[in-house]
Amino acid sequence: GAVVSQHPSWVICKSGTSVKIECRSLDFQATTMFWYRQFPKQSLMLMATSNEGSKATYEQGVEKDKFLINHASLTLSTLTVTSAHPEDSSFYICSAPNLNTGEGISNQPQHFGDGTRLSIL
Amino acid sequence: GQNIDQPTEMTATEGAIVQINCTYQTSGFNGLFWYQQHAGEAPTFLSYNVLDGLEEKGRFSSFLSRSKGYSYLLLKELQMKDSASYLCAVRARSNDYKLSFGAGTTVTVRA
Repeated sequence: GAVVSQHPSWVICKSGTSVKIECRSLDFQATTMFWYRQFPKQSLMLMATSNEGSKATYEQGVEKDKFLINHASLTLSTLTVTSAHPEDSSFYICSAPNLNTGEGISNQPQHFGDGTRLSIL
Repeated sequence: GQNIDQPTEMTATEGAIVQINCTYQTSGFNGLFWYQQHAGEAPTFLSYNVLDGLEEKGRFSSFLSRSKGYSYLLLKELQMKDSASYLCAVRARSNDYKLSFGAGTTVTVRA
């Protein structure tokens, strides 16, 4: 079953609306989560690293005031797209590594949520 | 920056073998991952290589040559359900989980 849950799956809203996306680790604690954006037929682009209990680390070119990240607990990170515009329409995906398997840091794959398709009209 | 290259598209016949190549130039190297992504869905983990050589997992195998900055994913006995995008991703540093992804290779399996 899914180890990372992302909600909602689809969002369609008007320009200027703020949209919140949730990412939950279901059966493990995730001190670190990642937020990606993917445009059609393009690669996953890392937007930011979400750190539990501290500020997120944003990649170059990503506006931190536009994409607000909150990681208030060990199982939940949220991404809020503020005042969304049509150019923000994209597929947003979160991921988290499971550090609790005892297999060490190096070979832990990231577990992805199912993604959120955001359409701004 | 990180530079990860893979072919855009490949087509193969059901039952055949397809090899997807990935070359990378990154600021560091601490592992290479392959993911499968069906259209409109999230990626699913396929394989991981950190040492040179071949890792076999059922119908899928992945190879790594660190000196050449090169990896490939081998898909055997292709099935229609294998039609998907295959993403090569590199972790550059050992102290974090951040991955840099290639653009993905869309594989189409034909009957």
